[in-house]
Amino acid sequence: DTGVSQDPRHKITKRGQNVTFRCDPISEHNRLYWYRQTLGQGPEFLTYFQNEAQLEKSRLLSDRFSAERPKGSFSTLEIQRTEQGDSAMYLCASSLDLLDYGYTFGSGTRLTVV
Amino acid sequence: DQQVKQNSPSLSVQEGRISILNCDYTNSMFDYFLWYKKYPAEGPTFLISISSIKDKNEDGRFTVFLNKSAKHLSLHIVPSQPGDSAVYFCAASHQGSNYKLTFGKGTLLTVNP
Repeated sequence: DTGVSQDPRHKITKRGQNVTFRCDPISEHNRLYWYRQTLGQGPEFLTYFQNEAQLEKSRLLSDRFSAERPKGSFSTLEIQRTEQGDSAMYLCASSLDLLDYGYTFGSGTRLTVV
Repeated sequence: DQQVKQNSPSLSVQEGRISILNCDYTNSMFDYFLWYKKYPAEGPTFLISISSIKDKNEDGRFTVFLNKSAKHLSLHIVPSQPGDSAVYFCAASHQGSNYKLTFGKGTLLTVNP
């Protein structure tokens, strides 16, 4: 499978706990993005990596959120001290240096904070 | 501030007919536009894109039209098929934005057999 993989697919956690999600992009894609989608909304940009460098973070990303992409391969998104408002679908996408072919999105991680 | 707007939350068409999904944008810096399709429990799938230097791009049954003066784009699906039933997102980007996409809220298309 040469698509974008995300793990886990679903995560239920108690408020205040930390969670970490993983994304494995398409191997030849140098750009990696995290988006968040809530019910009835389109995906919203969270952060962007070019290779291993995190080049942009959205104002949506509070201090409780951190993302890494060690060695420019897979990426992790960690949320500390989760809140109910963090419940959403977290989408990872990768792309080449062209928008002609768009991003390739993973299937997402559905986070539910109870 | 919603920079990309899809004002129709849903659209229902008959199989074989044309589906027209609309999208408006407010940011005049946007110069690249994309359409994505999303099934439940899956990530969005890229459908078709258009650069601001063009006013039309066609790929099989899918055609995107761009009207820069009106800041409006539309996706035409002809003929519509039941398998096209999904949520369609319009997205926009501009040079210097790290190819970051701004999405609309989506339109749920239902194609009835």
